[in-house]
Order: sequence, then C-alpha cells, then structure tokens
Amino acid sequence: GENVEQHPSTLSVQEGDSAVIKCTYSDSASNYFPWYKQELGKGPQLIIDIRSNVGEKKDQRIAVTLNKTAKHFSLHITETQPEDSAVYFCAASPYTGTASKLTFGTGTRLQVTL
Amino acid sequence: DGGITQSPKYLFRKEGQNVTLSCEQNLNHDAMYWYRQDPGQGLRLIYYSQIVNDFQKGDIAEGYSVSREKKESFPLTVTSAQKNPTAFYLCASSTLGLADEQYFGPGTRLTVT
Repeated sequence: GENVEQHPSTLSVQEGDSAVIKCTYSDSASNYFPWYKQELGKGPQLIIDIRSNVGEKKDQRIAVTLNKTAKHFSLHITETQPEDSAVYFCAASPYTGTASKLTFGTGTRLQVTL
Repeated sequence: DGGITQSPKYLFRKEGQNVTLSCEQNLNHDAMYWYRQDPGQGLRLIYYSQIVNDFQKGDIAEGYSVSREKKESFPLTVTSAQKNPTAFYLCASSTLGLADEQYFGPGTRLTVT
C-alpha cells in the first residue's frame, strides 16, 4: 500500500517569512495530492490540492509543487501570518473514479511567531 | 448551511461498552468515510461507503462497525472489541466524480476509561 512521509514534524517561523513542508510517497499509482490544515480540536480543512498532470499550483499565499519522478510534493506558504499556525497534513491517493482512500502523512505543526 | 455534522463533540464511555458516533451530511455527497486520529499521527481510514447499503473496510476496521441506511448518514459503532478506542474520530464525505476531494466534519473525541 501507499506510504506517505512528511517533514518536518514541527516548524517555527517568524511572521512574514516563508514556510515549506515536504512529503514523499511510495506508490507510483498515486495521482492526487491534497493538503489539509487542522486547527486545535477541529476537523481538517482542505486548503489546496494538486493532480499528477500538473507540476505546480498556486492560490494566493499558498503553493504546492509536485515532482512525480522523485515522488515528492511540497507545500509553500509565503508571507506567513499568525493565523497560519496549525497542523498541516499531506495526503496521497490513486484516483479511481470511485471513493478513494487517502493515505496521510503524520503532520507538521507550524508555529508563526510575532 | 451545507456541511458535515458530528455529534457529540465529546463522548465518555466505560470500557466494555459499545458506543455509536453520529455523522450527517447535507452536501448530497455519495461517499462517506470514517477516520481515526491519534496524537502525533496522521489520519487512518476505518471504513468508507460509496453508496447506500454498501461499505468497505479501511486500514484499521477491526473493532468497528458501520451502517449506511441513508445517503446523508454514516454512523460508526466502536465496539468493546476495539482494544484502544480512545481517539479523535473524524467523518468525511465526497462526491464520486471528484472522490479525492474529501471534506471533514468537526470530529468527536471519544474517551474510554
């Protein structure tokens, strides 16, 4: 089955700096890679995703890059703000056209300090 | 408002008791999922369902059971056979056409003593 590794487990940045979180996956059949943000005591919120036919996707201060050859993808947050502080999860799945199984990384706790 | 609701937010049970967690969605999504989250770990899939009256085991189904009698509802029962039931349980749903885009409910924190 799929295995997703995520690094770092914790990340502390100053407000305004950039943050990068990296994930690797093992199953070459995976072709969908979402990122979720989870605030304390709440459910994860989908913030951005990328499919294997795209190398990069950007949404305001958030971007995701995908390298299918190396089997890794990354989340980039620019101009970080205190409200970006949360736990971020990457995931991977093979799109099958039916209900698919997401395999999640272990999460990165991002702390944005003033 | 469209969304996924889970109730209750906190649940306490004694060891040896079965407990059922509720999940309801009004997004008209066909697929629904149950995940378990433990501290410092990612989400692990317990069960999922693509259609009413049908469901499949995920990676950690032992000690759990589900039903899907209505499209909107996907309750999870944590049985006494689950050895470590204390965890944060998350329900999600998605369409089948874009099945990967799963949207999560607020979760239920279950504590078994």
